[in-house]
Amino acid sequence: QKEVEQDPGPLSVPEGAIVSLNCTYSNSAFQYFMWYRQYSRKGPELLMYTYSSGNKEDGRFTAQVDKSSKYISLFIRDSQPSDSATYLCAMSRNQFYFGTGTSLTVIP
Amino acid sequence: DVKVTQSSRYLVKRTGEKVFLECVQDMDHENMFWYRQDPGLGLRLIYFSYDVKMKEKGDIPEGYSVSREKKERFSLILESASTNQTSMYLCASTLGYNEQFFGPGTRLTVL
Repeated sequence: QKEVEQDPGPLSVPEGAIVSLNCTYSNSAFQYFMWYRQYSRKGPELLMYTYSSGNKEDGRFTAQVDKSSKYISLFIRDSQPSDSATYLCAMSRNQFYFGTGTSLTVIP
Repeated sequence: DVKVTQSSRYLVKRTGEKVFLECVQDMDHENMFWYRQDPGLGLRLIYFSYDVKMKEKGDIPEGYSVSREKKERFSLILESASTNQTSMYLCASTLGYNEQFFGPGTRLTVL
């Protein structure tokens, strides 16, 4: 079983939609949870990180961690064409573990 | 802002060549990492370093070596490039385990 599972998509939504991106994990020892955005042919860019369970909001982005279910989510409100990218979840304890990424396209 | 830079964005090399990929970070981070990223496989850790002159193998170190002579610089070396090393190579740095910052990546093609 992989440490981190992420649905690869692709996901295609109309502009303005609410997007939900999700990851599950197997190791209950993970402490930090991160979301990265990666545009084509570029390096991943850190969007948000959270420590332990709960929600964290930054503009149109909300990260949610449910440690009891070993499940994390990233919600994007009022999605824009510029949000079209691959989104990677990541978790860490003594090292980093990444999901394989979900490809998102926001259609104008 | 943390800045991680990589020496080349695109590189084309021939089988058997020795290849050097360089990474520099400007935030005095202790930890630096080299990953390769391939479609469907995600990010795979090649090597990492927690301090100058220190190195630790990641999940796929075969065919690679690294060098960290200065805190800000971490180099990845392909001793004898092979076609199966064609990939996107990403360098990253971090202070702890909560935020890892990536460079722009080097897309290496081995012919």
